[in-house]
Amino acid sequence: DVKVTQSSRYLVKRTGEKVFLECVQDMDHENMFWYRQDPGLGLRLIYFSYDVKMKEKGDIPEGYSVSREKKERFSLILESASTNQTSMYLCASSSPGGEGTEAFFGQGTRLTVV
Amino acid sequence: QQQVKQSPQSLIVQKGGISIINCAYENTAFDYFPWYQQFPGKGPALLIAIRPDVSEKKEGRFTISFNKSAKQFSLHIMDSQPGDSATYFCAASKGGGFKTIFGAGTRLFVKA
Repeated sequence: DVKVTQSSRYLVKRTGEKVFLECVQDMDHENMFWYRQDPGLGLRLIYFSYDVKMKEKGDIPEGYSVSREKKERFSLILESASTNQTSMYLCASSSPGGEGTEAFFGQGTRLTVV
Repeated sequence: QQQVKQSPQSLIVQKGGISIINCAYENTAFDYFPWYQQFPGKGPALLIAIRPDVSEKKEGRFTISFNKSAKQFSLHIMDSQPGDSATYFCAASKGGGFKTIFGAGTRLFVKA
């Protein structure tokens, strides 16, 4: 059974803290993604990576960075957490191109910044 | 910004009825149109997908209708069941799916 695992289901952090969200996939997928999900806004892409050590900005990268040191792991970093980063964060992976463009999602991390 | 507009925002349907969710897109370069289903506390999961060379795709009770000239596509859920209650996202991507654009989502509630 394919799996994308996010390290935490729920997190509460203080304003100004550096926050790490971890994601691991076991499908040997090249592509990995970080989205945030907010009511009425759907899923918005923060960053994605198509190879180890490669990263590309998505639509809302401000205030975030990412790290991909190994193929199976993609980390999202909030450099200095702010209350407007309170959201549900979803990690996903996919294989590149062709017919296989289905994205597999983790269960999400609900982050609250206080 | 490339957008995918989804409606309605929420939908209540009687058990056994037909649920219809609509999406419209702008970029004619999109070549893959998936629908994702998300249950509370879970991540979205692929439900059904279509490519623009066909006008309809059916999988069980779920059908995508695709109108290339109007740049619109819709999800029809026949014989809707309470277990179908979830949030549904339409999406669009091109050339490898690096940047999938998602609609805002529709919360479907099927009354027993």
